[in-house]
Amino acid sequence: DSGVTQTPKHLITATGQRVTLRCSPRSGDLSVYWYQQSLDQGLQFLIHYYNGEERAKGNILERFSAQQFPDLHSELNLSSLELGDSALYFCASSVALAETYEQYFGPGTRLTVT
Amino acid sequence: AQKVTQAQTEISVVEKEDVTLDCVYETRDTTYYLFWYKQPPSGELVFLIRRNSFDEQNEISGRYSWNFQKSTSSFNFTITASQVVDSAVYFCALTPPNSGNTPLVFGKGTRLSVIA
Repeated sequence: DSGVTQTPKHLITATGQRVTLRCSPRSGDLSVYWYQQSLDQGLQFLIHYYNGEERAKGNILERFSAQQFPDLHSELNLSSLELGDSALYFCASSVALAETYEQYFGPGTRLTVT
Repeated sequence: AQKVTQAQTEISVVEKEDVTLDCVYETRDTTYYLFWYKQPPSGELVFLIRRNSFDEQNEISGRYSWNFQKSTSSFNFTITASQVVDSAVYFCALTPPNSGNTPLVFGKGTRLSVIA
C-alpha cells in the first residue's frame, strides 16, 4: 500500500458526461501528479500540483481540469467525455516539488466511457 | 527532449530463470534521474528504484539488480531466479533535475510473464 488513495476505483459513464476523480496523497507529500494510462498511449503525464499551485501541464485536454485543495487532496475533472477518454487514471504523490523524487502511485481509477 | 525506449514489449520466462529488462534513454541533460516502476496485474504502480546520473554503481536489492551504463545510455534491470509473483509490466522512467516543471517520462513498458 503506497499510502495514496484514489476514489472511485471504477467509473462507468456515458459520452458527454462529466466526472470527478479524487486523490488523497501520502501524509506529508505536497506534490500531486495525475497520469492517464491507455493501451495506445501508455503512461501520459497530465498535470502536477505542488502545495495547491499548478506546476506543470502535460498532454491534458482542455476538457480536463484539476485542482489541489488546502488539505492537499486533488481532484481531476473530466468533462464532455468521449469514448477515447476511457483509460486508467493514476494519481501519484511525492514529498517535494521536483520530479527527481520518487513518486508513489495510487491504485488508479478505471474510467469506462460508453 | 527526453525519451525512454523499452524495446522488449513482452518477455516470457520459466520460473527460476534470470531475466533482463532493457531500458535505453535519451536526454541532453548531464544530470538526470532514472526510475523503475512495477505494475502487477492488480494495476497499481510500485516504485522500485531511483538512480541519479552521477552514480554509476550497480545496485542490488535481493533478487533485483540494476546496471546503469552512462556510456550506452542504458539502465537495465535484472531479476535473478524469477518467480511467478514477478509477473508484471515494468516501466523505466527519466527526468532531469529542475524546479518541478518537467514531467517524468515513461517508457512503454515491458510485460514480463513468469511461468511456473
